[in-house]
Amino acid sequence: ETAVFQTPNYHVTQVGNEVSFNCKQTLGHDTMYWYKQDSKKLLKIMFSYNNKQLIVNETVPRRFSPQSSDKAHLNLRIKSVEPEDSAVYLCASSPNTGQLYFGEGSKLTVL
Amino acid sequence: GQQVKQSSPSLTVQEGGISILNCDYENDMFDYFAWYKKYPDNSPTLLISVRSNVDKREDGRLTVFLNKSGKHFSLHITASQPEDTAVYLCAAGAWAGAKLTFGGGTRLTVRP
Repeated sequence: ETAVFQTPNYHVTQVGNEVSFNCKQTLGHDTMYWYKQDSKKLLKIMFSYNNKQLIVNETVPRRFSPQSSDKAHLNLRIKSVEPEDSAVYLCASSPNTGQLYFGEGSKLTVL
Repeated sequence: GQQVKQSSPSLTVQEGGISILNCDYENDMFDYFAWYKKYPDNSPTLLISVRSNVDKREDGRLTVFLNKSGKHFSLHITASQPEDTAVYLCAAGAWAGAKLTFGGGTRLTVRP
């Protein structure tokens, strides 16, 4: 049963536009993540938040910014998208046992 | 470079055989190791995990072997079934940390 909800699941846009992906988890977990799955299907962590605090910030372009209003929500905003931003963005949460619970993913296509 | 690597992008096994999936890592600080299973168009889900205080963990048909000195861990699936066909992602991280690093995945195909 899905407990990490991402919207939208698909988004097609043009270079230079702004995109936002929303993520909500109903598991009561303290930690949430954004991962990027590129064209080679490699999963790379982008950001991690623990109880609204940013704790992991990998080297990603400045146009990416996470936003957390509370520990159940972690959104991802991309200002001025580039073609290389086309990917599947996966939100996840964790009860800090190591196990990640992933959302369904948000597929971004930049034309 | 990639901190967690799966050198075999694909593996084909006959039904009933044993599937062995391998993963190498670079970071000495990693003390948590996991295998995730991913079906096409689905998100990864955790199969089995181990902490570094053990070198083996069994769960039904699944066994994880951890070789810390060799920075290597593997997943063995006995009596492989066609429904085991999926992409298997290894992952490693520091237990106290908040970052799990994934390998590139191995596509396992179990032939009837």
